Amino acid sequence: GAGVSQTPSNKVTEKGKYVELRCDPISGHTALYWYRQSLGQGPEFLIYFQGTGAADDSGLPNDRFFAVRPEGSVSTLKIQRTERGDSAVYLCASSLDSTVYGYTFGSGTRLTVV
Amino acid sequence: SQKIEQNSEALNIQEGKTATLTCNYTNYSPAYLQWYRQDPGRGPVFLLLIRENEKEKRKERLKVTFDTTLKQSLFHITASQPADSATYLCALGDSSYKLIFGSGTRLLVRP
Repeated sequence: GAGVSQTPSNKVTEKGKYVELRCDPISGHTALYWYRQSLGQGPEFLIYFQGTGAADDSGLPNDRFFAVRPEGSVSTLKIQRTERGDSAVYLCASSLDSTVYGYTFGSGTRLTVV
Repeated sequence: SQKIEQNSEALNIQEGKTATLTCNYTNYSPAYLQWYRQDPGRGPVFLLLIRENEKEKRKERLKVTFDTTLKQSLFHITASQPADSATYLCALGDSSYKLIFGSGTRLLVRP
């Protein structure tokens, strides 16, 4: 596609529920990143995929968070037993080579846990 | 731990002036530094990248400097326009391909 697509754009869920956030990166971009951004803060790294494998998942806050990218394209961020503190904008980015071209971000999914 | 500091106070300038934003960092030796623009409700947009062995980079009305001794980058927008109003984020990277972002500085350009 022309850009990075994230769905849904907004998600409201009840505390304790399970949510899935989807990211469709730019075609041909092998690197895919998930970040989380709270109000007034910069994006905070969660996980980085190179192809199908998670090259770095050191930013996932705990084992309630999990992400997959089974075919090296679309990725899904999964959050189990959601907590109110999980409320944030979840940003996905893809890149051909971030050391040259930077990241291309999607518009994010705003997750609200009530 | 690694720390990136950007001025949390908004920068308010008159149209036509040069805007200068600062990014300072500690406990880190980045291989490169990037600047992004973020508008409300949107994801950040990549603007410029400068490497540790480069002192200055320009792109149209934008200029970035990178001083690894001072651990500082300056981001300049010359002949600023109201359309330049946004939040500007600096981000540091190394060979891990992971970027660490600052919290951003909001720029407001008055007509």
